[in-house]
Amino acid sequence: EVKLQQSGDELVRPGASVKMSCKASGYTFTDYAMHWVKQSPGQGLEWIGTIIPLIDTTSYNQKFKGKATLTADKSSNTAYMELSRLTSEDSAVYYCARGDYSSYILDYWGQGVMVTVSS
Amino acid sequence: DIQMTQSPASLSASLEEIVTITCQASQDIGNYLSWYQQKPGKSPQLLIHSATSLADGVPSRFSGSRSGTQYSLKINRLQVEDTGIYYCLQHYSAPLTFGSGTKLEIK
Repeated sequence: EVKLQQSGDELVRPGASVKMSCKASGYTFTDYAMHWVKQSPGQGLEWIGTIIPLIDTTSYNQKFKGKATLTADKSSNTAYMELSRLTSEDSAVYYCARGDYSSYILDYWGQGVMVTVSS
Repeated sequence: DIQMTQSPASLSASLEEIVTITCQASQDIGNYLSWYQQKPGKSPQLLIHSATSLADGVPSRFSGSRSGTQYSLKINRLQVEDTGIYYCLQHYSAPLTFGSGTKLEIK
């Protein structure tokens, strides 16, 4: 069974950084890309970017360049996203989602991490 | 960036009714279009991929179609468990972009 287990919810101060994880199981981690998606409160979905763990290649939505950094650890089948210089605009739920290399179909999603930026 | 214009924003329908949700792409995206259902407090679930292919385990009352750059999700014989928000996603080119969502309620 494919499963993406994300780390717990975070409460962080403005200006700080946060790093969240997405542990994959039930499939070969390097056979797929990992995507990250933002959902602001009561809002729709925004694609942040993707990482191909096999070759450590990333692609970002221009809107999130400088904000998000995607990494992956093949030894632990875990993808990470770090968000920096947090503001209230970064308060949202963040999802990881598995994606096929060629078609980018996002077929399995993690349960989401709620990040709250507050002093 | 490719814009996905989704309609309607909300929809209220009766049990067993047929409902249709559409997404209009701002340019050609071929069949690189998926549909998702999201329930409150849950992550999106894949319903349809490649514009018309049913994802594993999804009931056959869901179907997808394409006419040029317009894509439709049809739900036959609406059930109570179909309530939620539906999104389309184009995965033809980066940045991937979602439609704004359709909130479906049962009358």
